[in-house]
Amino acid sequence: DAKTTQPTSMDCAEGRAANLPCNHSTISGNEYVYWYRQIHSQGPQYIIHGLKNNETNEMASLIITEDRKSSTLILPHATLRDTAVYYCIVRVVGNDMRFGAGTRLTVKP
Amino acid sequence: GAVVSQHPSWVICKSGTSVKIECRSLDFQATTMFWYRQFPKQSLMLMATSNEGSKATYEQGVEKDKFLINHASLTLSTLTVTSAHPEDSSFYICSARVVSTDTQYFGPGTRLTVL
Repeated sequence: DAKTTQPTSMDCAEGRAANLPCNHSTISGNEYVYWYRQIHSQGPQYIIHGLKNNETNEMASLIITEDRKSSTLILPHATLRDTAVYYCIVRVVGNDMRFGAGTRLTVKP
Repeated sequence: GAVVSQHPSWVICKSGTSVKIECRSLDFQATTMFWYRQFPKQSLMLMATSNEGSKATYEQGVEKDKFLINHASLTLSTLTVTSAHPEDSSFYICSARVVSTDTQYFGPGTRLTVL
């Protein structure tokens, strides 16, 4: 599976949109982009995934660039409860999830 | 989303004893489950993949005789840490895959402390 690069940490003001970038420049055509988050001392929570089209669900939006070399997870109205480590994972269908270091998002009042 | 549970949520044991952790998929059947370990301030590391009815596949460096995995049904996988030592103290997290969406869902984790 392709390697991903994420910023180590980010801050966001409560109520504002949080935009979390992920670089996956070596992604191949059959690899999906997945996002999970882990709140302190809990198991990872699935957020969203996509192949090449933008995706939206009740939690977030996923924007994938046309060349698929990068993506952005958008939390439209961040709350204090969104403070967590966010993981961007690229994988082929059927492969296991392997986690990098992720981005530590801190939502501030 | 699909729900995965783990039991116990935390356990403290003496060095040399064995500890069993259960992982259940509550609202779906999981032919494949995964076990991860997470040390403080580190990311999750995959330990092994278990397929229902067959032997688990362990990642390099993970001792299969120490970390016994059983996936006897489509909703239950167990991890037994045998002869636990203080260095086995960690946060153990299981995951189960929903075949139809090819998405993994994770349990809440089990914190093991070996004294």
